[in-house]
Amino acid sequence: QQPVQSPQAVILREGEDAVINCSSSKALYSVHWYRQKHGEAPVFLMILLKGGEQKGHEKISASFNEKKQQSSLYLTASQLSYSGTYFCGTDRIQGAQKLVFGQGTRLTINP
Amino acid sequence: NAGVTQTPKFQVLKTGQSMTLQCAQDMNHNSMYWYRQDPGMGLRLIYYSASEGTTDKGEVPNGYNVSRLNKREFSLRLESAAPSQTSVYFCASTRVSSGNTIYFGEGSWLTVV
Repeated sequence: QQPVQSPQAVILREGEDAVINCSSSKALYSVHWYRQKHGEAPVFLMILLKGGEQKGHEKISASFNEKKQQSSLYLTASQLSYSGTYFCGTDRIQGAQKLVFGQGTRLTINP
Repeated sequence: NAGVTQTPKFQVLKTGQSMTLQCAQDMNHNSMYWYRQDPGMGLRLIYYSASEGTTDKGEVPNGYNVSRLNKREFSLRLESAAPSQTSVYFCASTRVSSGNTIYFGEGSWLTVV
């Protein structure tokens, strides 16, 4: 079952923060986050495994609340390069690696 | 290091024609996938192969067939193309265990007229 992402789109000015949410109605084992630029392939950002672990690098971090079956992606002090569409992919079974992706969140960063 | 390579990058087909999308990875990955991406729909799994010699249906398998030729190669075939199959197709691969990055190819833009 496809996870639901919110918001569908967001427009920010450079330096502002954003939060993108990914929710599932089913129990999850892992959540993957990807960013896709127009006309390009999705690029891996990070993976969160069951256990509520928070991860991050530079100004992008994410959390996974397994009780709520929800993951959030945090973008801090956004840069122009952060523009693109963000997808979460969810995996319900350990070892399956059979991701189901959300519909995406389009992020636009303006100068 | 090529990663995941797809061919062709662009293709226009007439309704009813057949074609095969080729995919190869050089990362010694066990699992390979075919996704399609339509505007506003995100990525939807067509077929995947957990290991050489095995394939399984994903969310939208109708109208497609796949072949896991060997560990490196995973092809997607459209036997009788339909306009509804106009989409961008992505091949991807990963190591077999959970928690590993899935690497995507650059995509194949297919138009069926």
